[in-house]
Amino acid sequence: GQSLEQPSEVTAVEGAIVQINCTYQTSGFYGLSWYQQHDGGAPTFLSYNGLDGLEETGRFSSFLSRSDSYGYLLLQELQMKDSASYFCALHNRLAFGKGNQVVVIP
Amino acid sequence: DTAVSQTPKYLVTQMGNDKSIKCEQNLGHDTMYWYKQDSKKFLKIMFSYNNKELIINETVPNRFSPKSPDKAHLNLHINSLELGDSAVYFCASTNTGLSNTIYFGEGSWLTVV
Repeated sequence: GQSLEQPSEVTAVEGAIVQINCTYQTSGFYGLSWYQQHDGGAPTFLSYNGLDGLEETGRFSSFLSRSDSYGYLLLQELQMKDSASYFCALHNRLAFGKGNQVVVIP
Repeated sequence: DTAVSQTPKYLVTQMGNDKSIKCEQNLGHDTMYWYKQDSKKFLKIMFSYNNKELIINETVPNRFSPKSPDKAHLNLHINSLELGDSAVYFCASTNTGLSNTIYFGEGSWLTVV
């Protein structure tokens, strides 16, 4: 089977940096993706890691360590519009984590 | 243009009824999915179709039956609706092996009363 673990909620001020962690268990690994979902909206793709290391996409970066079955999403220079849930997902798309709610305050 | 569109967006119905949610994607993708998201925002895969063939069928009650008339469409029919079926149902699509990205529809909010 497959499973992903994420902590549930974090509150941070505008301009801050937030790291969202994800640990996973899977018998076959093809990469880790990250999705953002605003309240009432659909999940949208943010980032993908197929190999170890850091992938940077603007203010967002994602990291993967396959040996540790661990990844994280780094949100920098937080803006109010970043208030959303963030999900990690195993690349074979079968399993999503439970999501991490990020609340950005002024 | 909406890449993955699903209808209806909102559906309120009584227990015991039968309802369908339709999904269409205009991205030329070969794989489509249905996900269920409950009130705790847990996103769980229900079904996956590749080129009209069922490839993933998670532990879902038999009351849920997907139908894929062609690879651009994946509909979800639910029989004998129960209160616990209330959730948001997301359709999604991707190109297997060619893309790392799943594209989601806007969701269908089902409320069973």
